Amino acid sequence: DAEITQSPRHKITETGRQVTLACHQTWNHNNMFWYRQDLGHGLRLIHYSYGVQDTNKGEVSDGYSVSRSNTEDLPLTLESAASSQTSVYFCASSESGTLGTDTQYFGPGTRLTVL
Amino acid sequence: QKEVEQDPGPLSVPEGAIVSLNCTYSNSAFQYFMWYRQYSRKGPELLMYTYSSGNKEDGRFTAQVDKSSKYISLFIRDSQPSDSATYLCAMKGTGRRALTFGSGTRLQVQP
Repeated sequence: DAEITQSPRHKITETGRQVTLACHQTWNHNNMFWYRQDLGHGLRLIHYSYGVQDTNKGEVSDGYSVSRSNTEDLPLTLESAASSQTSVYFCASSESGTLGTDTQYFGPGTRLTVL
Repeated sequence: QKEVEQDPGPLSVPEGAIVSLNCTYSNSAFQYFMWYRQYSRKGPELLMYTYSSGNKEDGRFTAQVDKSSKYISLFIRDSQPSDSATYLCAMKGTGRRALTFGSGTRLQVQP
C-alpha cells in the first residue's frame, strides 16, 4: 500500500545544530507540504513543493529550508535549531485532482525538542 | 486575527450525544472546506470534504458550509468513544493547493 513516512519519529537536539527531518511518500504525488503543530496554533505551513525542483515558502518559513530532487522525498532542514522550533512536524502529500480537492495525506509526525 | 478561528475545547459529551463542531473564517476566497480527524500522537486524516456552500452527509457525519456567514460546521450523530480525537477544520481557495487550518477542537466522548 502507498504511504507517507517520516523519520526520525523523535529527535532531541541542541540549540545551534543543523537538523534534517526526512519525509518519503510512495503515492507518487506531485505536491508535498511541511507543517508544524503547536498548542493553540493548529497546523501552520512551513514550506511546500508542487514538483521536482519546485519549492515555496509558507507562513512560518524563517529558519527552515527544503529541497526537492525527486518526487518521493522532501527533507526539511533547520539551519540552526532554536528553542522556538520545538514542535511536532508533519509532512503531507497530495495529487491535484478534479474540482481542486487536493486531498492531503499526512505522515505520522516527528516530535522535535531543541534544548 | 487568524484567517480561521476554531474553539479549542475540550468538548466532553456522553456517548450517543450529537456533537457540533464549528469554524469561522475571514477569507472570502476560500472555496474548499475539509474536516480532519487527528488521534493522539497520529497524523491528521481527512474525514469530510465540501465544495462551496451546502451540506454533505457520510454515515454519522454531516458537514455544513454557510459561505454568506463564513461559517462551517461538522455534526456527529450517535457519538462513540472512538470519536474521541481532535477535529481540525481546513480550507483553501481555487488554484491554491496548500491548506489553512483551524487550531483544532479536542473532543472527548464519555462511555
